[in-house]
Amino acid sequence: DGGITQSPKYLFRKEGQNVTLSCEQNLNHDAMYWYRQDPGQGLRLIYYSQIVNDFQKGDIAEGYSVSREKKESFPLTVTSAQKNPTAFYLCASSIAQGTGYTFGSGTRLTVV
Amino acid sequence: DAKTTQPTSMDCAEGRAANLPCNHSTISGNEYVYWYRQIHSQGPQYIIHGLKNNETNEMASLIITEDRKSSTLILPHATLRDTAVYYCIALTNNAGNMLTFGGGTRLMVKP
Repeated sequence: DGGITQSPKYLFRKEGQNVTLSCEQNLNHDAMYWYRQDPGQGLRLIYYSQIVNDFQKGDIAEGYSVSREKKESFPLTVTSAQKNPTAFYLCASSIAQGTGYTFGSGTRLTVV
Repeated sequence: DAKTTQPTSMDCAEGRAANLPCNHSTISGNEYVYWYRQIHSQGPQYIIHGLKNNETNEMASLIITEDRKSSTLILPHATLRDTAVYYCIALTNNAGNMLTFGGGTRLMVKP
């Protein structure tokens, strides 16, 4: 079945460490996105990518980095510069920007 | 993209229809109305979308007013598993546009 996979589901890291969240899709979608969600809040866009080797900052990109070396993969690195990294992270993909998104099941990151 | 306004929360009895309203009074002619829902600790799930005609699929019906300033998502026979946050989003199908999630409506289906 086609879909979008995020791993791991839960992640614990010590403060000051960088951590990379995985996002893989086999839907042949061109566009991919990373969102952050805090408890009781909506989703906020971190980064997005329309095509391979291209990505753009979203509303809250500071302290995060991404790469898009393959169409199927869009990993997100939460760096030590992110002041409050504990959150629920969601990856999504779409055929093209503006069309319906397919979301992964999310990664819950806890920094202690 | 047009701003949307939804009630913060709603209750619905199990087996009854859940009608979730959304106001989008500044919607432009080429903006679609999308509905997603998010069950606790999961990724959002696409439900339905429409431009101006009413739409129906296996999950729900979408009723858009003639002036397109508001819409209603209808879950015809709500079950406990429909308890979730429902997001109404106005979006053009053009490159460069992002799906932006507001607070949504927290629907609680009660036995």
